[in-house]
Amino acid sequence: AQSVTQLGSHVSVSEGALVLLRCNYSSSVPPYLFWYVQYPNQGLQLLLKYTTGATLVKGINGFEAEFKKSETSFHLTKPSAHMSDAAEYFCAVSDTSGTYKYIFGTGTRLKVLA
Amino acid sequence: DVKVTQSSRYLVKRTGEKVFLECVQDMDHENMFWYRQDPGLGLRLIYFSYDVKMKEKGDIPEGYSVSREKKERFSLILESASTNQTSMYLCASSTSGTGAGELFFGEGSRLTVL
Repeated sequence: AQSVTQLGSHVSVSEGALVLLRCNYSSSVPPYLFWYVQYPNQGLQLLLKYTTGATLVKGINGFEAEFKKSETSFHLTKPSAHMSDAAEYFCAVSDTSGTYKYIFGTGTRLKVLA
Repeated sequence: DVKVTQSSRYLVKRTGEKVFLECVQDMDHENMFWYRQDPGLGLRLIYFSYDVKMKEKGDIPEGYSVSREKKERFSLILESASTNQTSMYLCASSTSGTGAGELFFGEGSRLTVL
C-alpha cells in the first residue's frame, strides 16, 4: 500500500531563510506527487505537482520540489521565506492506475519568524 | 475559477443527531471526495464518487454515508453523530480519471458533536 511520510510536524524558519519541507513516499511504482498548502480557516490549494517529465517542478509563490526516484522523495523548497508562507503544507500521492485515491501525509506547519 | 462550496462552515450538533454536510462544485467535475482532517493525522478519505449515483468507500467510512444524485452535489451524512466525529470535513473535486488531476477543495466544515 502507498504511504506518505512528512518529517517534522512543525518547522520554523526566519524570514528570508531557506524553506525545506520533507516528503518521502512508499510505492512500488512512481506515483503522481503533489504539494498542497492550507492557510488558516481555509481549504487546501495546490502548490505544485509532478506527473511525468522534468523532475524539478516549479509551483506558485516561489516554491519548487524535486522528484528523486532513487530516494523516493519529493521535498518542497523555497529560497527565501516570507511571512505570508506561514501555513500548513501537505504532501500527497496518487497511484497511476486510476483508482481515484489520493494519500496525504500528516502535514507540516510552517512558522516564519520575523 | 473552480469553486467548491461547502454549505456550512461551522456546525454544532448533539450526540445521536443526523447530520448532513453538503458540497457543490461548479466545474462539471466527475470525481468528488469527502475527507476528514484531524491534527496529526492529515487528511483521511471517507468516501469518493466518480459518477452520479456511484460511490466508493475510502479508508474510514464507518459511521458515514454519502449521496450523489446530481453531478455537482455530493453530500456526507452522519446517521447518528458521535463525539468522535468531531472534526474538520473537507470536500474536494477533480476532473481526471488517471490520478494526475488536481484536487480542488472547499473551505471545510468544522463539526462539533456534543
